Amino acid sequence: KAGVTQTPRYLIKTRGQQVTLSCSPISGHRSVSWYQQTPGQGLQFLFEYFSETQRNKGNFPGRFSGRQFSNSRSEMNVSTLELGDSALYLCASSLTGTSASGNTIYFGEGSWLTVV
Amino acid sequence: QKEVEQNSGPLSVPEGAIASLNCTYSDRVSQSFFWYRQYSGKSPELIMSIYSNGDKEDGRFTAQLNKASQYVSLLIRDSQPSDSATYLCAVNSGNTPLVFGKGTRLSVIA
Repeated sequence: KAGVTQTPRYLIKTRGQQVTLSCSPISGHRSVSWYQQTPGQGLQFLFEYFSETQRNKGNFPGRFSGRQFSNSRSEMNVSTLELGDSALYLCASSLTGTSASGNTIYFGEGSWLTVV
Repeated sequence: QKEVEQNSGPLSVPEGAIASLNCTYSDRVSQSFFWYRQYSGKSPELIMSIYSNGDKEDGRFTAQLNKASQYVSLLIRDSQPSDSATYLCAVNSGNTPLVFGKGTRLSVIA
């Protein structure tokens, strides 16, 4: 059974540019969550999608956006990149979503974004 | 603001010893508790989940939950150098996303 797949794995962008990251969840999983991980802040929740609808959103500016497609694949976009956006972006999939108590989420390998 | 607190470490233990990792959380209605292990440069992987007060054992790992004290811990018996990693505690409060602690770095010395 394939795991969570994220692309690209590594990328370097310039301040002011925009970036799109992609995530394919585990087959059969309908929920996709995105997290940002930095050494200082740890893992911070960005947003969660379930059946193409955003179900939860973290405390990030509007430059961070996402969407989910009918096949459960998800993309997140960051516009007008800032140096502080440099981080590991993790996608996680689960069967029914993080909102369900007891539900387990599984992480992809992540996309390492460096903004210069 | 829901918070999950962990000692950042590093926690150093000799090979073969018991490593004890602790986590406290602020939301009293939290229902699900998870421990993830993250090796340097890798993504988190689930080790244990626990939902009821008491202990839950899985191989060398034991998770302990005390909801009255809002405290969850992870014990690693017979620690191995391969256990050296950052351990993340995560808490779910029903209809909210998982909230993660910043992790405890464990170093097992051979």
